[in-house]
Amino acid sequence: AQTVTQSQPEMSVQEAETVTLSCTYDTSENNYYLFWYKQPPSRQMILVIRQEAYKQQNATENRFSVNFQKAAKSFSLKISDSQLGDTAMYFCAFMMGGTSGSRLTFGEGTQLTVNP
Amino acid sequence: GAVVSQHPSRVICKSGTSVKIECRSLDFQATTMFWYRQFPKQSLMLMATSNEGSKATYEQGVEKDKFLINHASLTLSTLTVTSAHPEDSSFYICSAGTGGAFYSPLHFGNGTRLTVT
Repeated sequence: AQTVTQSQPEMSVQEAETVTLSCTYDTSENNYYLFWYKQPPSRQMILVIRQEAYKQQNATENRFSVNFQKAAKSFSLKISDSQLGDTAMYFCAFMMGGTSGSRLTFGEGTQLTVNP
Repeated sequence: GAVVSQHPSRVICKSGTSVKIECRSLDFQATTMFWYRQFPKQSLMLMATSNEGSKATYEQGVEKDKFLINHASLTLSTLTVTSAHPEDSSFYICSAGTGGAFYSPLHFGNGTRLTVT
């Protein structure tokens, strides 16, 4: 079974600064995908960024980027130029590739607070 | 963009009664739908996977007779909490996908807060 671990229950950052959220995972599979989701106080789950395991290049989406270290099974999220609207719970998630049917395994979450 | 509608957003029921939660894909056909449960300040725990026209697959520890899932069409899945008890109070979230995994990202409903008194 796959497991996802987020070791930082809470983090805070000043507006406009950069923050990195950590995520590690454990799997014996070679074909898989990794995701970061954001859950603001509204509880709506929002996809932030995604990474295919076979791609060495780190994914980037505007102010959000990942540091994917496959050998270390690490998948951290960097948020640059933090904004107040980035305040949310962030979940790292794992999905097996192939015909697994989009089943996600989530980490425990990191509550990020952006301070003005 | 793709939208998943979940209804109701909040429900309060008395212990022993049943509650039905609906999850609809509004502009796409969802071959697979997932039901999650989330306790306060905790992560999402997958309860079951439902595929249109077939029986749901439940995760270990989830009582299939208590959490009835029906996926009768490609746009609708329902979760019925039968004989609800206070410990069933939680936030329930559905997600829907077209089965393409990575390139068909999952779309989540807004969730249902269930309170059993």
